[in-house]
Amino acid sequence: GQQVMQIPQYQHVQEGEDFTTYCNSSTTLSNIQWYKQRPGGHPVFLIQLVKSGEVKKQKRLTFQFGEAKKNSSLHITATQTTDVGTYFCAGEFGNEKLTFGTGTRLTIIP
Amino acid sequence: NAGVTQTPKFQVLKTGQSMTLQCAQDMNHNSMYWYRQDPGMGLRLIYYSASEGTTDKGEVPNGYNVSRLNKREFSLRLESAAPSQTSVYFCASRRTAGGGGTQYFGPGTRLTVL
Repeated sequence: GQQVMQIPQYQHVQEGEDFTTYCNSSTTLSNIQWYKQRPGGHPVFLIQLVKSGEVKKQKRLTFQFGEAKKNSSLHITATQTTDVGTYFCAGEFGNEKLTFGTGTRLTIIP
Repeated sequence: NAGVTQTPKFQVLKTGQSMTLQCAQDMNHNSMYWYRQDPGMGLRLIYYSASEGTTDKGEVPNGYNVSRLNKREFSLRLESAAPSQTSVYFCASRRTAGGGGTQYFGPGTRLTVL
């Protein structure tokens, strides 16, 4: 079946350090989305990437979509305590549904 | 706008009991989805409805049934609950199926089956 692999599963960083999570698919994606889920909360949409090689920035967050549209990354510069949560990628394969990665849980050491 | 609402927020069932999880959206979205979330497993799609009047199986449909009651409402039914169905259940909606677009999630239902 169509799967989206995400690594790492957990990441603990000192406040101020950078953080990166990666997603990979074995087949080409039509688009990829990123969501953030705070502890005890529900997933909230962050961004969607559609074009090959696309790079988008939201303040300290940088999102990339690979040239082959099979991988993506989220990079956070200089993490803050407000960045705590689980980050999910979700790939669309041209059908009617999203396939979510397993998520990366980010914890910040103050 | 309330967005996506789910009831109940918490539920404890005994093995073999049945229940229905309710979901409603007020954004006039065509597509609605039910996911379950288990530790380390991410979000797994149970069923979805691309448009009013249609439903399709997702990745983990066994033990569940759904009803797209109208454009606003999409319910998930457990006919005979099992401990393996202990999970957090999220309903989501988006404007159209396919072609990208934000999925909006409800607050979730935390279900425990004893």
